[in-house]
Amino acid sequence: GENVEQHPSTLSVQEGDSAVIKCTYSDSASNYFPWYKQELGKRPQLIIDIRSNVGEKKDQRIAVTLNKTAKHFSLHITETQPEDSAVYFCAASKGALTGGGNKLTFGTGTQLKVEL
Amino acid sequence: EAGVTQSPTHLIKTRGQQATLRCSPISGHTSVYWYQQALGLGLQFLLWYDEGEERNRGNFPPRFSGRQFPNYSSELNVNALELEDSALYLCASSYGLGQPQHFGDGTRLSIL
Repeated sequence: GENVEQHPSTLSVQEGDSAVIKCTYSDSASNYFPWYKQELGKRPQLIIDIRSNVGEKKDQRIAVTLNKTAKHFSLHITETQPEDSAVYFCAASKGALTGGGNKLTFGTGTQLKVEL
Repeated sequence: EAGVTQSPTHLIKTRGQQATLRCSPISGHTSVYWYQQALGLGLQFLLWYDEGEERNRGNFPPRFSGRQFPNYSSELNVNALELEDSALYLCASSYGLGQPQHFGDGTRLSIL
C-alpha cells in the first residue's frame, strides 16, 4: 500500500521567515496531494491541495510543489506569522481511481512553531 | 454552510464495552470517511462509505464497523473495546470521488 514520509517532524522559524515541509510517497498511482493544518484541539483544516497534472500551486503565502518523477511534494509558507503555528500533515490519495483509492494516507505531521 | 458535525464530543467507556460514534456530512456530500488519530500515530484511515456502501477499509480488525444512512450520515461502531482504541476519531466528507475531504471536530474516545 501507499506510504507517505514527512520531514521534518518539528520546525522552528522566526516570524517573517519561510518554512518548507517535505513529503515523499511510494505509490506512483497516487494523483491527489492535500495539506492539512491542525491547531491544538481543533479539526484538521484543508489549506491547499495539488493534483498530479500540476507542478505547482499557490494561494497567497502558501504554495505546494510536486515532483512526480521523484515522488515528492513540498509545502512552502512565506512570511510566516505566529498564527501559522500548528501541526501540518501531508497526504496522498489515488483520487477517483477505482479499487477504493479515495482514502487519504497521511504523513506523520510537522509541528511548526513561529517565534516572535 | 454547516461543516461536518460529529457526536458525541467525548465518550468514556471501559474495556469490553461497545461504542457508537456519529457523523453528519456537509450538505450535498455523499462520501464519508473515518480516521483514527491516536497519540503519536498520526491519522490512520479506517473506513470509507459512499452512497450507502462500504467502499474501502483500512488495516483495522472487524470489530471496527459502520454504516451510512440514506441521508448520508454515518455511524462508526467499535465492539469489544480495548485500551489501545483510545484516540480521536475523525470523520470527513467529500462530494464525490477524488474531491477534497473536510473534517469534523472528532470524537475523543477514552477507554478506562
